[in-house]
Amino acid sequence: QSVLTQPPSVSAAPGQKVTISCSGSSSNIGSNAVSWYQQLPGTAPKLLIYEDNKRPSAIPDRISGSKSGTSATLGITGLQTGDEADYYCAAWDGSLSVRVWVFGGGTKLTVL
Amino acid sequence: QVQLVQSGAEVKKRGDSVKVSCKASGYSFTNFPIHWVRQAPGQGLEWMGWINTATGDTRDSQKFQGRVTFTRDTSANTAYMELRNLRSEDTAMYFCVRLYYTSAWDWGQGTLVTVSS
Repeated sequence: QSVLTQPPSVSAAPGQKVTISCSGSSSNIGSNAVSWYQQLPGTAPKLLIYEDNKRPSAIPDRISGSKSGTSATLGITGLQTGDEADYYCAAWDGSLSVRVWVFGGGTKLTVL
Repeated sequence: QVQLVQSGAEVKKRGDSVKVSCKASGYSFTNFPIHWVRQAPGQGLEWMGWINTATGDTRDSQKFQGRVTFTRDTSANTAYMELRNLRSEDTAMYFCVRLYYTSAWDWGQGTLVTVSS
């Protein structure tokens, strides 16, 4: 059971838009920044979004992140077959002395 | 460019220990902590803990109940994760990660640890 809750799977057609939700609580998403990661099959995760909505320079602007209260959302527009992957949200949880880094359970994106 | 290169796959027996290394390059090793994350086959990501590469201070997830130790060798720009008293459920891919503020900017390629009976 993951601390952050994501849908197990989402799907959409090429060229369409998809959103992936990540639900947490006041001790994690509600008070700490959210990051998102893409994991292609057989590879290490890659950072897509940091500090809720910022993109590393190599990430295209069709990838976006947002946060409201204790939930965060990853958006991907102009879907491509190469976007098929597992996506994870993450955030720090807890007080300064007992902080732990928590993940969502992951969402498998299928591009139909 | 930043690189984290991990040691190779390991096959261990239940009750054994394993030590995974993570050699960093392309940045100042002691300026960033190294975290460890594992992923069981077909499962999600699980944070194990981290080491302050400058001071050597460590913190691990309570889940491992003292079975895990993080160390580093600053002269070799290398971090290590040792997991003791291995169980079958410890079979997983283990990743070292460079965190900057709250996000994991760089990941090692992963080290597969298989625990057999």
